[in-house]
Amino acid sequence: DIQMTQSPSFLSASVGDRVTINCKASQNINKYLDWYQQKLGEAPKLLIYNTNSLHTGIPSRFSGSGSGTDFTLTISSLQPEDVATYFCLQHDIGWTFGGGTKLELK
Amino acid sequence: EVQLVESGGGLVQPGRSLKLSCAASGFTFSNYDMAWVRQTPTKGLEWVASISTGGGNTYYRDSVKGRFTISRDNAKNTQYLQMDSLRSEDTATYYCARHGVTTSYFDYWGQGVMVTVSS
Repeated sequence: DIQMTQSPSFLSASVGDRVTINCKASQNINKYLDWYQQKLGEAPKLLIYNTNSLHTGIPSRFSGSGSGTDFTLTISSLQPEDVATYFCLQHDIGWTFGGGTKLELK
Repeated sequence: EVQLVESGGGLVQPGRSLKLSCAASGFTFSNYDMAWVRQTPTKGLEWVASISTGGGNTYYRDSVKGRFTISRDNAKNTQYLQMDSLRSEDTATYYCARHGVTTSYFDYWGQGVMVTVSS
């Protein structure tokens, strides 16, 4: 099974900061990496699919990059409404989620 | 607007059964593969099962194979998860999710339903 290691587990940043979250796969997953945002008490919401494609309605401050085993989610300028937990998902072989990154405001 | 609404969760004893439903609206249900994903504080998010558009192909994670059955009724725009021989480790919030049309990520999720397996 493919394992997904997400880092950091917790992140504290200020409004306007550039934020990066990383996800590492245990083997090559090509481009099949997605990012989700989950606010407290809500279902996960798709942000980015296939490494760098922005889902419908997602603000352009969110972007994704990477290939093979190493991937990054970037928030270019953190907004208060971005406080949430972020998950990566590989869907190259089966479906495996990362452990999550809890993002808080400093 | 895509909407997925789960129902059927609750408290159940180990070894018993429970059936979850997911009512879909806002899109052509029969055109999309569907899935169930669960979440716990300790294990995080786990894919549970997926079903193809016509229901002919189903896929399960190893830990639920032989105990859970995913199905769908395209006439009713509803998918189901029949959960038998439930274990304490099946305790989770279960989400209904839609697969993307061209690739297999999950593009829309329901609000989730809680399943607690306990005596």
